[in-house]
Amino acid sequence: DQQVKQNSPSLSVQEGRISILNCDYTNSMFDYFLWYKKYPAEGPTFLISISSIKDKNEDGRFTVFLNKSAKHLSLHIVPSQPGDSAVYFCAARGNRDDKIIFGKGTRLHILP
Amino acid sequence: NAGVMQNPRHLVRRRGQEARLRCSPMKGHSHVYWYRQLPEEGLKFMVYLQKENIIDESGMPKERFSAEFPKEGPSILRIQQVVRGDSAAYFCASSPSGTAGEKLFFGSGTQLSVL
Repeated sequence: DQQVKQNSPSLSVQEGRISILNCDYTNSMFDYFLWYKKYPAEGPTFLISISSIKDKNEDGRFTVFLNKSAKHLSLHIVPSQPGDSAVYFCAARGNRDDKIIFGKGTRLHILP
Repeated sequence: NAGVMQNPRHLVRRRGQEARLRCSPMKGHSHVYWYRQLPEEGLKFMVYLQKENIIDESGMPKERFSAEFPKEGPSILRIQQVVRGDSAAYFCASSPSGTAGEKLFFGSGTQLSVL
């Protein structure tokens, strides 16, 4: 019973282009969403987050969009760089729950 | 400026042995979370602890697994009588408090291999 779904296991994008990673969730009680990035043999590192009261949050090359009615969020990376090649996890937390639920991740390959 | 420290990085056990995984949270953090990542899977929540208290263990298998976070010392995830299916990467994360709106800081993980 996956509450956070990342339906694309992998994505390849040309360097300099926009990378768009998608995430869907089923639990309407989620009110805080995060994106984490993970390199091999390392732990996940926080990238960007968004509260459910917003529909967009931007930090440099990274922008997260939230569509509450569709229970969908996306991470945009522009322009994509070689160092962006990693696994990206979408995550969510409920307003009465301190644990964060993660999706299965999307492996992003930035092509030269 | 030490981050979340996990040890060992790699742990090899034979079936039936015990595995002990340690996690020292970031300085000033009193909340610890354990996650497990099976091959080709995402991060699965296991347990959330504060000092001397288990807050949420809804993701822990009912048998063989236990966790503690004593007043002094690291948090310990203990797996008794390991089986091959326990082979996974185990990640610990910490936060200053458990309030919504805070991100987690992760350690580099312990890769458990059961022979």
